[in-house]
Amino acid sequence: GENVEQHPSTLSVQEGDSAVIKCTYSDSASNYFPWYKQELGKGPQLIIDIRSNVGEKKDQRIAVTLNKTAKHFSLHITETQPEDSAVYFCAAPSVRGLSFGAGTTVTVRA
Amino acid sequence: DTEVTQTPKHLVMGMTNKKSLKCEQHMGHRAMYWYKQKAKKPPELMFVYSYEKLSINESVPSRFSPECPNSSLLNLHLHALQPEDSALYLCASSQGPSNMNTEAFFGQGTRLTVV
Repeated sequence: GENVEQHPSTLSVQEGDSAVIKCTYSDSASNYFPWYKQELGKGPQLIIDIRSNVGEKKDQRIAVTLNKTAKHFSLHITETQPEDSAVYFCAAPSVRGLSFGAGTTVTVRA
Repeated sequence: DTEVTQTPKHLVMGMTNKKSLKCEQHMGHRAMYWYKQKAKKPPELMFVYSYEKLSINESVPSRFSPECPNSSLLNLHLHALQPEDSALYLCASSQGPSNMNTEAFFGQGTRLTVV
């Protein structure tokens, strides 16, 4: 099955700086990679996703890049704001549903 | 509308109680899921319904019993739970079958405490 590894586990950034979270996956047949943001006491919210036919996708301050050869994908958050503080999960599909990374706790310092 | 609605938001139950968690979506999605999430961990898959039929059961104890009355509703019936079952229970849905190559949307979860 799919195995997703996510780094770092925690990330503290100064407000206005950029944050980058990296994930690797094992199944070369995987072709869809979503990112979820989970705030305290809430369910995971889909914030951006990418399919294997593109290398990069951007939505305002967030972007995702995909390197299929290396089997890794990354989330980039620019001009971080306090409301970006949350746990972020990457994921990849498997026959048994989404396989999640372990999560990254992002803290944006004011 | 990408909303998945879960009720109740919070539930405290004794080990001898019977309760049910409910989930509803009106996006026309044909796959629905139950996940369990412990603190500081990613969601863990419990059950998958595809076209209202149970397609995946991740070796979940029988004290958890899922039900899909129709394409918009998903229930999780709870009976004789243990304190270690305390967790956030998440419902999700996606358009297609359970390989989840399409967007999956999660509800806000039910915070379950077993006493």
